[in-house]
Amino acid sequence: DAKTTQPPSMDCAEGRAANLPCNHSTISGNEYVYWYRQIHSQGPQYIIHGLKNNETNEMASLIITEDRKSSTLTLPHATLRDTAVYYCIVRAPAGYKLSFGAGTTVTVRA
Amino acid sequence: KAGVTQTPRYLIKTRGQQVTLSCSPISGHRSVSWYQQTPGQGLQFLFEYFSETQRNKGNFPGRFSGRQFSNSRSEMNVSTLELGDSALYLCASSLGDAKNIQYFGAGTRLSVL
Repeated sequence: DAKTTQPPSMDCAEGRAANLPCNHSTISGNEYVYWYRQIHSQGPQYIIHGLKNNETNEMASLIITEDRKSSTLTLPHATLRDTAVYYCIVRAPAGYKLSFGAGTTVTVRA
Repeated sequence: KAGVTQTPRYLIKTRGQQVTLSCSPISGHRSVSWYQQTPGQGLQFLFEYFSETQRNKGNFPGRFSGRQFSNSRSEMNVSTLELGDSALYLCASSLGDAKNIQYFGAGTRLSVL
């Protein structure tokens, strides 16, 4: 799996958009970008994934650059419940295990 | 649709004992994976079961074992517990298809005294 780099932490105001960057410069052609988050002491929660097109679901949007070397996860209207560690993972779909890096600790402030 | 259910949520054991953790996957999911999460080591893969067969295995000693039943429910067993086995044990289920999106349970917090 390709290595990812994320900022260690970021703050966000409640109600504002939170934009979380992730660098994955060594991504291979068949590797997807997955995002998970983990609220303190809970199990990780799947957010979204994509290959090369922008993706949107009820939780977030994912924008992957044209060269696929970086991506941005956007939480459109952050709430206090979005405070969590966010993990960006790159792996081939057939990869059987997940490996989390240090992730980005996002703190949403009122 | 119910999510992944893990029982028990919390467990306290002493060194040398054994423990069995249970995981009920999302209905229709045939793949169940187990992970150990600690502050120092992060998320580490234990093993994956698919249709009652262990399909992949991580780098853990033989004290860690698992099985999957015909209804896809899975159990994980740790024998001869050590202090270092204290961790959050997570179960994740997936369809086992090409996307392989894993959905996690809330975990079982095991404390070994």
